[in-house]
Amino acid sequence: GENVEQHPSTLSVQEGDSAVIKCTYSDSASNYFPWYKQELGKRPQLIIDIRSNVGEKKDQRIAVTLNKTAKHFSLHITETQPEDSAVYFCAASLNRDDKIIFGKGTRLHILP
Amino acid sequence: GAVVSQHPSWVICKSGTSVKIECRSLDFQATTMFWYRQFPKQSLMLMATSNEGSKATYEQGVEKDKFLINHASLTLSTLTVTSAHPEDSSFYICSATDRGRGDTQYFGPGTRLTVL
Repeated sequence: GENVEQHPSTLSVQEGDSAVIKCTYSDSASNYFPWYKQELGKRPQLIIDIRSNVGEKKDQRIAVTLNKTAKHFSLHITETQPEDSAVYFCAASLNRDDKIIFGKGTRLHILP
Repeated sequence: GAVVSQHPSWVICKSGTSVKIECRSLDFQATTMFWYRQFPKQSLMLMATSNEGSKATYEQGVEKDKFLINHASLTLSTLTVTSAHPEDSSFYICSATDRGRGDTQYFGPGTRLTVL
């Protein structure tokens, strides 16, 4: 089955700087790669996603890149703000409506 | 937007009792729902796929006789934790796919189970 590895487990960046979280996946059949932000005690919230036929996608300060050959995908957050502090999960799935396999998560701290 | 609800939001029970958690899609029909479990400071782990009108598909290592799943209608799936023990204490989250909105998968707010 699919296995998703995520690094780093904890990341601290100065407010205004960029943050990068990296993930790898094992199943070459996976075609959908969502990223979630989760605050303590809350449900995960989809912040951006990318399909395997696209190499990069951007939404304001958030961007995701995908290298399907290497089975790598990354989340980039620019101009970080205090409200970006949360736990971020990468994930992989066969399709958008299929079961989702999550990475272990990255706790992001934005330092004042 | 599409909403998925869970009930209860939290529950405390004694060891040995059974607890039922409901997952509802409020404004769409879902033939498939997923159940996840999240221990403190850990990731979401898929437990099972709930299929309307048929048996659930369980992930490896998840006891189907302990975690009973029933998907009796297109808007409701239930997870029953039978003979709960303290190690079953966790955050249980369901998700459902709204095929009418580009197959977007929506998560419920979660149910925190504490077994004493």
